[in-house]
Amino acid sequence: EPEVTQTPSHQVTQMGQEVILRCVPISNHLYFYWYRQILGQKVEFLVSFYNNEISEKSEIFDDQFSVERPDGSNFTLKIRSTKLEDSAMYFCASGGLAGYEQYFGPGTRLTVT
Amino acid sequence: EDKVVQSPLSLVVHEGDTVTLNCSYEVTNFRSLLWYKQEKKAPTFLFMLTSSGIEKKSGRLSSILDKKELFSILNITATQTGDSAVYLCVRRAQGGSEKLVFGKGTKLTVNP
Repeated sequence: EPEVTQTPSHQVTQMGQEVILRCVPISNHLYFYWYRQILGQKVEFLVSFYNNEISEKSEIFDDQFSVERPDGSNFTLKIRSTKLEDSAMYFCASGGLAGYEQYFGPGTRLTVT
Repeated sequence: EDKVVQSPLSLVVHEGDTVTLNCSYEVTNFRSLLWYKQEKKAPTFLFMLTSSGIEKKSGRLSSILDKKELFSILNITATQTGDSAVYLCVRRAQGGSEKLVFGKGTKLTVNP
């Protein structure tokens, strides 16, 4: 069964460093998302991506964040200068059609020290 | 307001018990409500509800939506230890990006 994959599973970085989180969505899906979950808190929407552009972003998704779909299969989230409060589990999700369910990847745990 | 409220936040039962998890939501441009199960990592999809009064069922799990009263319930009958997880109620608004708005979840623990 097709699934969303994410790499790495765990990333440790120092404050101020840039990180790139990678996702491979399900191949025929059109909608792509990043969510994050700070330990003990609820899952929060970061950004959605459709037709090669951002369709919506949350207040969390400030200028330090960017997304890219560089080659038609990967979907990346870049954080330019990480802060301690960026420590969280980052989930990538993809969806096939508007109005249908989203499938989540296993997540990347980002730890900023 | 864009809010999804789940209750209870935590529930401990014994194997074989039946549980009902509750979810209420506040949104003016509702499109659908989804239930996900989160064990150790990624949320996994359970149900999507768009119409009131129509029960969705999968094995021992079932769910129903009341769009007039703005709530949904998730029932699990004959619980097993493998049902232990956080159950997430999620709503999606009409139009726009299809983003999902999550509740805090109900942590279900099923003891043998």
